[in-house]
Amino acid sequence: DQQVKQNSPSLSVQEGRISILNCDYTNSMFDYFLWYKKYPAEGPTFLISISSIKDKNEDGRFTVFLNKSAKHLSLHIVPSQPGDSAVYFCAASAGGNEKLTFGTGTRLTIIP
Amino acid sequence: DVKVTQSSRYLVKRTGEKVFLECVQDMDHENMFWYRQDPGLGLRLIYFSYDVKMKEKGDIPEGYSVSREKKERFSLILESASTNQTSMYLCASSPTGAGGYNEQFFGPGTRLTVL
Repeated sequence: DQQVKQNSPSLSVQEGRISILNCDYTNSMFDYFLWYKKYPAEGPTFLISISSIKDKNEDGRFTVFLNKSAKHLSLHIVPSQPGDSAVYFCAASAGGNEKLTFGTGTRLTIIP
Repeated sequence: DVKVTQSSRYLVKRTGEKVFLECVQDMDHENMFWYRQDPGLGLRLIYFSYDVKMKEKGDIPEGYSVSREKKERFSLILESASTNQTSMYLCASSPTGAGGYNEQFFGPGTRLTVL
């Protein structure tokens, strides 16, 4: 039972354009969401997070949007750069629980 | 600089062997986690620990056990390795507090191959 889903296994975007990565969840108890970035042969690194009391959070080129009614979140990267090529995982937690539930990941490739 | 280290980057074992994967964090974090990452399946939680000598099963604990004798160290044990345990194993840690809204810090991973 996949509670956090990333339906696009891969995405290719031209350098300088906007990259949009999507994530859907089914558990209505989730109230905190995170995005991680992973390069090959390295562990995931935290990118940005959002609490369910907000619908948007920005950090430089990265913005996360949360639509609670649709149980959907998205990560926008603008402008996309070659160093953004990586696998992106969304993750969710519920009620202050330290445990995270991860999605299956989306491999983003930025084309120079 | 925060750090989570894992004992090996690459490991090759034979079916039936007992395998130990070690993880150490230097951030004085209360919580530690073991995941495995497989293509198309994302990160799946095997076991986690909220405190020394405490452990809880994650989503896929079968075939694994863990040990946490010291706060900074969390070990994953494969009692009798099988080929379906060939995977990338990732350790993570996180602090407790702030309503539980804390990011997890990951180690570099151990690529385990079971022949």
